[in-house]
Amino acid sequence: QVQLVQSGAEVKKPGSSVKVSCKASGGTFSGYAISWVRQAPGQGLEWMGGNIFGSANYAQKFQGRVTITADESTNTGYMELGGLRSEDTAIYYCARAAYDIDYMDVWGKGTTVIVSS
Amino acid sequence: EIVLTQSPDILSLSPGERATLSCRASQSVTSGYLAWYQQKPGQAPRLLIYGASNRATGIPDRFRGSGSGPDFTLTITRLEPEDSAVYYCQQYDRSPLTFGQGTRLEIK
Repeated sequence: QVQLVQSGAEVKKPGSSVKVSCKASGGTFSGYAISWVRQAPGQGLEWMGGNIFGSANYAQKFQGRVTITADESTNTGYMELGGLRSEDTAIYYCARAAYDIDYMDVWGKGTTVIVSS
Repeated sequence: EIVLTQSPDILSLSPGERATLSCRASQSVTSGYLAWYQQKPGQAPRLLIYGASNRATGIPDRFRGSGSGPDFTLTITRLEPEDSAVYYCQQYDRSPLTFGQGTRLEIK
């Protein structure tokens, strides 16, 4: 059963960037999409975008600030968010889906990103 | 974008009772492209239902999804203490993917 293992927590300054990784363990996400969803403290779930076959689809809210990529040779997906502000403090989840616009059947445990001066 | 509104915000029930959670879309969700997730404190969301009514692998038959168009329902029968969680609906009919605000289910 594939598991998604995410990189560790990050503390960043406002205006900087963060890059979170998501490695498939016990399987591959070749042929699948990797989506990224975030959850601010005490809030609901927010889809940021997804990547399948090297093509990314982003929520308009994050267009120009987020880059979602995947390296099939290492079974690792990445989400890079730039121009960080305090409102970007959240848990960032990666999740596997059949398509970039789809339900998500396998989730990583999440990566906490704190943006603070 | 499709806005999903869940009701109620909080539901408090006793073990053995039935829970009915609603999810209403601002536009029709074609082909039943709607999923439900369960999230417990400190955990990632867990897929329960996809395609409006299909249970994900390992999900007990106490969880049942139904509905079409703009109105969908998650029904949980014979509630157990472990069902205490926040439940989210999500549409994948069109981009951007959107989630409802969540329903918190409390088991007394």
